[in-house]
Amino acid sequence: AQRVTQPEKLLSVFKGAPVELKCNYSYSGSPELFWYVQYSRQRLQLLLRHISRESIKGFTADLNKGETSFHLKKPFAQEEDSAMYYCALSGGFQKLVFGTGTRLLVSP
Amino acid sequence: KAGVTQTPRYLIKTRGQQVTLSCSPISGHRSVSWYQQTPGQGLQFLFEYFSETQRNKGNFPGRFSGRQFSNSRSEMNVSTLELGDSALYLCASRGQGKRDDEQYFGPGTRLTVT
Repeated sequence: AQRVTQPEKLLSVFKGAPVELKCNYSYSGSPELFWYVQYSRQRLQLLLRHISRESIKGFTADLNKGETSFHLKKPFAQEEDSAMYYCALSGGFQKLVFGTGTRLLVSP
Repeated sequence: KAGVTQTPRYLIKTRGQQVTLSCSPISGHRSVSWYQQTPGQGLQFLFEYFSETQRNKGNFPGRFSGRQFSNSRSEMNVSTLELGDSALYLCASRGQGKRDDEQYFGPGTRLTVT
């Protein structure tokens, strides 16, 4: 079964604090994992994908196949990072399986 | 490049009615996927079309159907609406390149069933 779990509904941090948004997955094959972000009043957009191993807006995510995790991290949170974050797994033919999302709130 | 567009943006229907939602993908994109977003279930995959063919389908009843036209525009139809169909319906389009695996989402159509 394909499943993505984001255990935290809300993560509240202060500006400058480190952030880690947790994501665990269940998938029988070789997974393709993504993080999508939705800022207030904007459409859902791709933040980063595990295959490119890049850093976007200071965020990174490493695929850990042993722990079946794909946690999103940023060393110093900014207020503009406040948004809804979704971890997603590609289940073939453009089918994305999404987690329930974590709302990140960064306070000044 | 213009983004994915969806029409209408808001819709109010009554139980038992049917509804058709439209999605225009980014120019050149031939793959269109549909998702339902609700507070309780989150984002759930409905189906995906490529070159007018449905390639993948989620776990939704047969009341949910879709199609894609030769210009890649896609429509989604829900018949015999139920209260539980109230949701934000998102469509996403994707290009064909090997590394072009990003799905670009539209703003969504907010459907309210009363």
